[in-house]
Amino acid sequence: ETGVTQSPTHLIKTRGQQVTLRCSSQSGHNTVSWYQQALGQGPQFIFQYYREEENGRGNFPPRFSGLQFPNYSSELNVNALELDDSALYLCASSYLQGRYNEQFFGPGTRLTVL
Amino acid sequence: DAKTTQPNSMESNEEEPVHLPCNHSTISGTDYIHWYRQLPSQGPEYVIHGLTSNVNNRMASLAIAEDRKSSTLILHRATLRDAAVYYCILRGLFGNEKLTFGTGTRLTIIP
Repeated sequence: ETGVTQSPTHLIKTRGQQVTLRCSSQSGHNTVSWYQQALGQGPQFIFQYYREEENGRGNFPPRFSGLQFPNYSSELNVNALELDDSALYLCASSYLQGRYNEQFFGPGTRLTVL
Repeated sequence: DAKTTQPNSMESNEEEPVHLPCNHSTISGTDYIHWYRQLPSQGPEYVIHGLTSNVNNRMASLAIAEDRKSSTLILHRATLRDAAVYYCILRGLFGNEKLTFGTGTRLTIIP
């Protein structure tokens, strides 16, 4: 069973640029969630996708957007990068079965905005 | 979202039991208590969850107070690999909800 993978591992961008982060879900999972983790803090929910549709969103501006593909891989796009966007971005996949779904996290992408 | 309160940090000796407390006084009747942990340089990983009864799995045990306003994650014999940040999280009955992380408890294991 292949776990959740994310790419790239690290990324450095400058303020105002755009970035795309990628996630491959665990085999058989149909839901993907993205989280932002600032240094010393717990992860904060950005949004969740279920069957290619956004299925919930946290308190993040519209410049944070996402996609989920038919093979359940996913992208997180961030436009107009700001210094505060520097963080670890985590992807988590799960199988939504109407009751309880354990989330499996990838190792994250460390984004640094200069 | 119902909130949880955990100590910022704890220390324990290797090979001894560890009891990690969590207070959740505003828990609703349909909230499950979940624990995740985050090892250094990794994403969080699921540890255990429960609703009312105490739960055991290969990683840990979860003891839930009778009034459900608090719970304790028990690591029966801590190893160096258990050094991590432990998060106590409440989730509703239908598990497609987001995970709301606090700052968790940073557990240090002393060799």
